[in-house]
Amino acid sequence: DADVTQTPRNRITKTGKRIMLECSQTKGHDRMYWYRQDPGLGLQLIYYSFDVKDINKGEISDGYSVSRQAQAKFSLSLESAIPNQTALYFCATSDPRGAVGELFFGEGSRLTVL
Amino acid sequence: RKEVEQDPGPFNVPEGATVAFNCTYSNSASQSFFWYRQDCRKEPKLLMSVYSSGNEDGRFTAQLNRASQYISLLIRDSKLSDSATYLCVAGYSSASKIIFGSGTRLSIRP
Repeated sequence: DADVTQTPRNRITKTGKRIMLECSQTKGHDRMYWYRQDPGLGLQLIYYSFDVKDINKGEISDGYSVSRQAQAKFSLSLESAIPNQTALYFCATSDPRGAVGELFFGEGSRLTVL
Repeated sequence: RKEVEQDPGPFNVPEGATVAFNCTYSNSASQSFFWYRQDCRKEPKLLMSVYSSGNEDGRFTAQLNRASQYISLLIRDSKLSDSATYLCVAGYSSASKIIFGSGTRLSIRP
């Protein structure tokens, strides 16, 4: 079983719909992240959380919100999806005792907004 | 200018060849560096850390040049299974900031 699990793995939705992507981890890491990947643009940070009470915006947080329900769970919401939010979304974790940049990724959630 | 820049490729090399690619970073405050491998439509996976003293893992060698602000990845005796996109990452401990390059695509042909 994967240490970092994302659901759903694939989702097709319509413009204006609310979407939630969920992430859970069994690595025991305090730090969790949501990234978006578009072809040719690399990974862009949406939100990150260093513990349950800590939420921080990344470089592209507009149109997104997050919830850190527990150490092991970090969900990403699109309140009103739009077509340019079509992308591959990755959740990741890291150990604060490790080097900054050493990340463990989930398998990704592919979202298509029509 | 991007903080971490990579040649997007694709690099198309024959099996058994040696291939190298570089990644440059603009912020001298960067303290930790990594290479990740990403297969098509899959998640990135940590390939190796990069140190000033160099880091070798089998056929893979990573090197950091702080003076010129670049890191490199060398793959010797390339295999078909090495075909992937390689992502360069710089970390800034003071800000807990992580910057990804856009990736270099490598294709190994038989």
